[in-house]
Amino acid sequence: DVKVTQSSRYLVKRTGEKVFLECVQDMDHENMFWYRQDPGLGLRLIYFSYDVKMKEKGDIPEGYSVSREKKERFSLILESASTNQTSMYLCASRRELNTEAFFGQGTRLTVV
Amino acid sequence: QKEVEQDPGPLSVPEGAIVSLNCTYSNSAFQYFMWYRQYSRKGPELLMYTYSSGNKEDGRFTAQVDKSSKYISLFIRDSQPSDSATYLCAMSLGTGGFKTIFGAGTRLFVKA
Repeated sequence: DVKVTQSSRYLVKRTGEKVFLECVQDMDHENMFWYRQDPGLGLRLIYFSYDVKMKEKGDIPEGYSVSREKKERFSLILESASTNQTSMYLCASRRELNTEAFFGQGTRLTVV
Repeated sequence: QKEVEQDPGPLSVPEGAIVSLNCTYSNSAFQYFMWYRQYSRKGPELLMYTYSSGNKEDGRFTAQVDKSSKYISLFIRDSQPSDSATYLCAMSLGTGGFKTIFGAGTRLFVKA
């Protein structure tokens, strides 16, 4: 059974804190993604990685950075959390770019 | 104008009804069309995947793509309470690019 695992289901952080969201996949996929999901806006791509240490900006990269040191792990970093980053964050991986995306269970982040 | 438009609902139907979920899009270059189902507090999971135009059937689910009208549909026959979820349409260019555009999702309730 394929698995994408996100380290936390729920997080509450204070404004200005540095926040790390971790994602691990066990399918040996090259491609990994971070999305945020907000009501009425759907899923918006934050960053994408197609290989270890490689990354591409998505639609809304401002305020975020990523790290891909190992193939199976893709981290999303909020350098200085702000209240407008309160959202559901979803990690996904794909074998090839137009094949099925496998999603983690999501991390609901609240910044207070 | 958003690239993909999807009515957020909610849509409430009685058990056994036929459900029709729809998305319209503006980019005629989209070639891959997907429907994801997302249960509450879970990540999305792929339900149907279609390349180009036409119909695809899988059990109680039928996906339909009309590229001339830039319109895709998901039909659910004999709907069940377990079908209650948010349904997201998604589409991508098929040129090897990493961009998949998601609709905002339609919330469906099937009442027993």
